[in-house]
Amino acid sequence: EPEVTQTPSHQVTQMGQEVILRCVPISNHLYFYWYRQILGQKVEFLVSFYNNEISEKSEIFDDQFSVERPDGSNFTLKIRSTKLEDSAMYFCASSTGLAVIGSEQFFGPGTRLTVL
Amino acid sequence: AQSVTQPDIHITVSEGASLELRCNYSYGATPYLFWYVQSPGQGLQLLLKYFSGDTLVQGIKGFEAEFKRSQSSFNLRKPSVHWSDAAEYFCAVGRTDSWGKLQFGAGTQVVVTP
Repeated sequence: EPEVTQTPSHQVTQMGQEVILRCVPISNHLYFYWYRQILGQKVEFLVSFYNNEISEKSEIFDDQFSVERPDGSNFTLKIRSTKLEDSAMYFCASSTGLAVIGSEQFFGPGTRLTVL
Repeated sequence: AQSVTQPDIHITVSEGASLELRCNYSYGATPYLFWYVQSPGQGLQLLLKYFSGDTLVQGIKGFEAEFKRSQSSFNLRKPSVHWSDAAEYFCAVGRTDSWGKLQFGAGTQVVVTP
């Protein structure tokens, strides 16, 4: 069964460093998403991406964040200068269509980011 | 503002007993509603979803949920839990005016005892 994969499973970085979290969505999916979950808090939407551009982003997704689909298979989230409060589990998801037409978002296992 | 509330942070249930997880939402229009499950080390897996039509929705793993517009609720149920149902369960809401953004509740941790 096809699945969303994410690498690495755990990333430790120093405050101020750049990190890139990688995701390989399901191959025929067209919509891509990043969510995060700070320990003990809700899963929060960060950004959605379609047709090589951001279609929606949350207030969390500021100038320190960027997303890219560098090739036909990967979808990345970059944090330019990490802060302590960026420590969280980051989930990638993908779907064939939008939720409004009944499409399911398939989630990856997550990358745990720890900023020291 | 739109919100999703899961009142129970933690539920302990005996194997074979029934389970009900509560979810309440606040949203001006009829939302799209989802239940996801997360097992340790795993991603979020969709259990079921409601978009329209029959308010009782059947999902995978023997779960069902009922949409009650008057109560703004979408509670998840299972008649007889198995030890493998121990996990964290998330209710989520999707908006009709969104590019797929899901808003999640805080989650309910389910522990199954022998």
